[in-house]
Amino acid sequence: TQLLEQSPQFLSIQEGENLTVYCNSSSVFSSLQWYRQEPGEGPVLLVTVVTGGEVKKLKRLTFQFGDARKDSSLHITAAQPGDTGLYLCAGGWSNDYKLSFGAGTTVTVRA
Amino acid sequence: NAGVTQTPKFQVLKTGQSMTLQCAQDMNHNSMYWYRQDPGMGLRLIYYSASEGTTDKGEVPNGYNVSRLNKREFSLRLESAAPSQTSVYFCASSEALQWEQYFGPGTRLTVT
Repeated sequence: TQLLEQSPQFLSIQEGENLTVYCNSSSVFSSLQWYRQEPGEGPVLLVTVVTGGEVKKLKRLTFQFGDARKDSSLHITAAQPGDTGLYLCAGGWSNDYKLSFGAGTTVTVRA
Repeated sequence: NAGVTQTPKFQVLKTGQSMTLQCAQDMNHNSMYWYRQDPGMGLRLIYYSASEGTTDKGEVPNGYNVSRLNKREFSLRLESAAPSQTSVYFCASSEALQWEQYFGPGTRLTVT
């Protein structure tokens, strides 16, 4: 059973459209991270959020940590083909700094 | 800096064979991790090492052993491979008490 549930599992959109990916859990986390993974490569960290209600922006990407620190969302504005990839959320606890990963959302942006 | 390197990149084993996956990092990180990634399952932690000389089980340790050879290197051994161990294996490292993990490029293992 996955501790972190990501939705949707797959997302295909046209270049220029907006998209939102969700990451939900019944557990409370000390931090929530988002990674992007491209085919044949390892995941690369996009952002870490640690405060409930925190919003971080990275160019066209906006990340939000839920008030109760159980969920998060990733919003991409005006998606580009370069945003194509597998987006993984990961929750961590400060007692040991281990991470629990969601199953991921595969995003395809068509030119 | 090469970051995190893994060898081999691809491997095919027959059931019952053994092999060791190698991982090295040049970032002077204290913590190192081994994950497996299966379709629809995300990354699952096999073993981790919080510091040189220590190792601990993760979520799916059965069928695997690890060795933290020194601060740079963390190897994963399959003593008797099974088809259920067909997966992509990732090694990662991080600084002590830091959230960000840096991943290697992965090893794609097929067990027939």
